[in-house]
Amino acid sequence: DTGVSQDPRHKITKRGQNVTFRCDPISEHNRLYWYRQTLGQGPEFLTYFQNEAQLEKSRLLSDRFSAERPKGSFSTLEIQRTEQGDSAMYLCASSLGWDMGEQYFGPGTRLTVT
Amino acid sequence: KNEVEQSPQNLTAQEGEFITINCSYSVGISALHWLQQHPGGGIVSLFMLSSGKKKHGRLIATINIQEKHSSLHITASHPRDSAVYICAVNFNKFYFGSGTKLNVKP
Repeated sequence: DTGVSQDPRHKITKRGQNVTFRCDPISEHNRLYWYRQTLGQGPEFLTYFQNEAQLEKSRLLSDRFSAERPKGSFSTLEIQRTEQGDSAMYLCASSLGWDMGEQYFGPGTRLTVT
Repeated sequence: KNEVEQSPQNLTAQEGEFITINCSYSVGISALHWLQQHPGGGIVSLFMLSSGKKKHGRLIATINIQEKHSSLHITASHPRDSAVYICAVNFNKFYFGSGTKLNVKP
């Protein structure tokens, strides 16, 4: 297994457009996490899944954000009507187990909203 | 209010120096993680610990649960250690520090 992968690695979009990011976790990992990181800051938790169930969402995740993990494997994060403040690195991580154990991070998707 | 505070924010060292990065947290935790992030964004998990001390090569991580404090030490630092080091704690969800940017000069 090559680890956690994310696609695309970079996305430039105009304000108001919708964007969708994909995360493929390590295959046997049952937990998948989404984080957002702005320049000079540590990552901020957005949401996480245990298998296909979305167990927690941060209040940072406004109504314009939605995440899915339909078959408990890959996950998508969609941002509707993007705003310039959405510009950030979106990180995905996965882990194995029933608590928040060691996480393996993907390379991230850098979003720029112009 | 930040649940996780790191110090220093920036650190410059000469190759070979002993380096310490500190992390204090304010919530009860299940575990504390030290992460390394290189330019370009990739994050690697270095340690996950809930008590005591762990060592991996030149890296040592310690945690004092009573004082809610952890330290990451790098012995015999090398320019390839230059990165951002992030402390994170998990208590129902992850809380991250803002990171310590380390630059090791040859």
